Amino acid sequence: DVKVTQSSRYLVKRTGEKVFLECVQDMDHENMFWYRQDPGLGLRLIYFSYDVKMKEKGDIPEGYSVSREKKERFSLILESASTNQTSMYLCASSLGPMGSYEQYFGPGTRLTVT
Amino acid sequence: AQTVTQSQPEMSVQEAETVTLSCTYDTSENNYYLFWYKQPPSRQMILVIRQEAYKQQNATENRFSVNFQKAAKSFSLKISDSQLGDTAMYFCAFMKPGAGSYQLTFGKGTKLSVIP
Repeated sequence: DVKVTQSSRYLVKRTGEKVFLECVQDMDHENMFWYRQDPGLGLRLIYFSYDVKMKEKGDIPEGYSVSREKKERFSLILESASTNQTSMYLCASSLGPMGSYEQYFGPGTRLTVT
Repeated sequence: AQTVTQSQPEMSVQEAETVTLSCTYDTSENNYYLFWYKQPPSRQMILVIRQEAYKQQNATENRFSVNFQKAAKSFSLKISDSQLGDTAMYFCAFMKPGAGSYQLTFGKGTKLSVIP
């Protein structure tokens, strides 16, 4: 079974702090994604990566950056956390064109910025 | 850009009954994939069912089936014999495969409650 893990389930940070959210997948997937989930808004794509060191902006990249130095790990960085970044963050991975395009999700990190 | 609309923010169903969740999408593409994902309370999001647009036959997975109407751009999910464990948020999602582009576009979700 594919396993996607995220470094924290719950995180509380102060405004202005630099925040790192980490995601690791164990199935050699090519594609990895970071979403933000807010009530009434569904899931919105922040960034995605289809290869090591490659990244593409999603729908809401402002205030975020990402890093993918190894195939299995995809990090989301909040350079200077703000209260409007309080949200649930979901990481996902997928195999790519040789697979079924199904995305496998991690358990999520609920981030609170005070 | 593709859009996905789930017009029912919340629904409820009696245990053992059947419920249908609606989803419509807007695209000019001919080749694409559609998905229904389930997110139980405080638990991980998992795939329920997948439909390839080029397949005319509706996908089925045990108690879950879809009604895919390509011309109408409609992709509804039917849950038969509803169980308490079906209580969850359900998200409809669209994907157009392409070079370097495998992202999903999600609807806003439908919160389903199964009542004992």
